[in-house]
Amino acid sequence: GQNIDQPTEMTATEGAIVQINCTYQTSGFNGLFWYQQHAGEAPTFLSYNVLDGLEEKGRFSSFLSRSKGYSYLLLKELQMKDSASYLCAVRDGGATNKLIFGTGTLLAVQP
Amino acid sequence: AAGVIQSPRHLIKEKRETATLKCYPIPRHDTVYWYQQGPGQDPQFLISFYEKMQSDKGSIPDRFSAQQFSDYHSELNMSSLELGDSALYFCASSLDVADTQYFGPGTRLTVL
Repeated sequence: GQNIDQPTEMTATEGAIVQINCTYQTSGFNGLFWYQQHAGEAPTFLSYNVLDGLEEKGRFSSFLSRSKGYSYLLLKELQMKDSASYLCAVRDGGATNKLIFGTGTLLAVQP
Repeated sequence: AAGVIQSPRHLIKEKRETATLKCYPIPRHDTVYWYQQGPGQDPQFLISFYEKMQSDKGSIPDRFSAQQFSDYHSELNMSSLELGDSALYFCASSLDVADTQYFGPGTRLTVL
C-alpha cells in the first residue's frame, strides 16, 4: 500500500527555523515534492528531491534519504505568511508519475 | 508567467445533477492531472492525460469521466452528483510526465 506520514500540526515563532518531517512507504518512487497550500487555495510547488541529499532554495531547503524513506522541509527566517499547510507528495514512478500526497502539516507561525 | 486556469471557480449543484469542470494547462504543457480534495483531506488523484490520451486512472467513480482535447485543455464531467462529491477539484499540468506538476486554483463544488 501507499503510506505517507507527516505531523498534523506544528507551531513556530516568527524569525525561527522549523523542520517538517515526512516518512513514506510507497510501491514506486520517482521523486519527492513539497507543496505549500493556504486554506482553500491551490498547492504551490516549493521543492523537489529525487536523489539523496539537500536541495536549497532561498529560505526553503528539502532533504531526502531514499534508503530511510524519509524527507524533511526546512523553513528558515519564518514569516507570518508562512502559516499554511505543507504537503509532502511522492511521485509514484508509474506510467504517469501521479502524485501521492501525505495528509499535510498545518504550520502556525506566531509573533 | 501563465498559470493553470480552471473554470468555474465555484459551482453549486443539486443531488443527481451533472457538472462539467474545465482546465486549461500552462502553454506547452501536454500532461494534465485531476485531483479531488475533500474538507481537511489531502488531494487524491483521479485521472490523468498525456498527449490527449488517458494515461492513468485513480480513485475516480464511474459516474465521472474526463477527456483532453486537441488544444490540451481538459474537462471533467460528473453525473448523478452526490453530497460526498462536494470538494475542491484541482487540475495540474506538467511539461511532460517527468516534469513538476503545477496546480490550478481549483473549482469548489458544493452539492446540496
